Amino acid sequence: NAGVMQNPRHLVRRRGQEARLRCSPMKGHSHVYWYRQLPEEGLKFMVYLQKENIIDESGMPKERFSAEFPKEGPSILRIQQVVRGDSAAYFCASSPYKAVDASPLHFGNGTRLTVT
Amino acid sequence: DQQVKQNSPSLSVQEGRISILNCDYTNSMFDYFLWYKKYPAEGPTFLISISSIKDKNEDGRFTVFLNKSAKHLSLHIVPSQPGDSAVYFCAASATKSSGDKLTFGTGTRLAVRP
Repeated sequence: NAGVMQNPRHLVRRRGQEARLRCSPMKGHSHVYWYRQLPEEGLKFMVYLQKENIIDESGMPKERFSAEFPKEGPSILRIQQVVRGDSAAYFCASSPYKAVDASPLHFGNGTRLTVT
Repeated sequence: DQQVKQNSPSLSVQEGRISILNCDYTNSMFDYFLWYKKYPAEGPTFLISISSIKDKNEDGRFTVFLNKSAKHLSLHIVPSQPGDSAVYFCAASATKSSGDKLTFGTGTRLAVRP
């Protein structure tokens, strides 16, 4: 049973370009979460999605960031017009249940975004 | 506003001895706590968790203690092994209000010396 798959592992973008980060959850998991880790900081919640629905986007910056989890295919985190401050590790996690006390989150190995 | 704090950025322990990692929180709504371990260039891996209705949970070499009145939890690793060298993150959730998200501390880097 494959774990949470994220690609690409590394992504370099110039300022103003778009970044697309993909996440395939574990088999049987319908709950997907995106977290961001800035250098020397802990992981910060960004967004929680179920298939075709955004459930909680309270951690997402209001502009340039969007996320989706379509009926078919991976979840996508999209960052438009990237700036240097977007450079970070972006982690996706999945779970078979909503509440973390029902099942711990399983994390992917992350996408390291570098904006030059 | 750092609601989960790990005040020790690093810890060095001799192999075979006990490692104690500490975590403090400020949000009284937090009722579920987890520890994750992270190796470089990998994602966090779940280690152990504890509900606020308990004060201790044990799994092999790993024990988590929760002191609700002090809003403090700790992770004990006994005996420590070189393979335990990693960054350890404490995380918390308010399951009754926002059970869908975790709030993480900034991590403690554990080095176990052979």
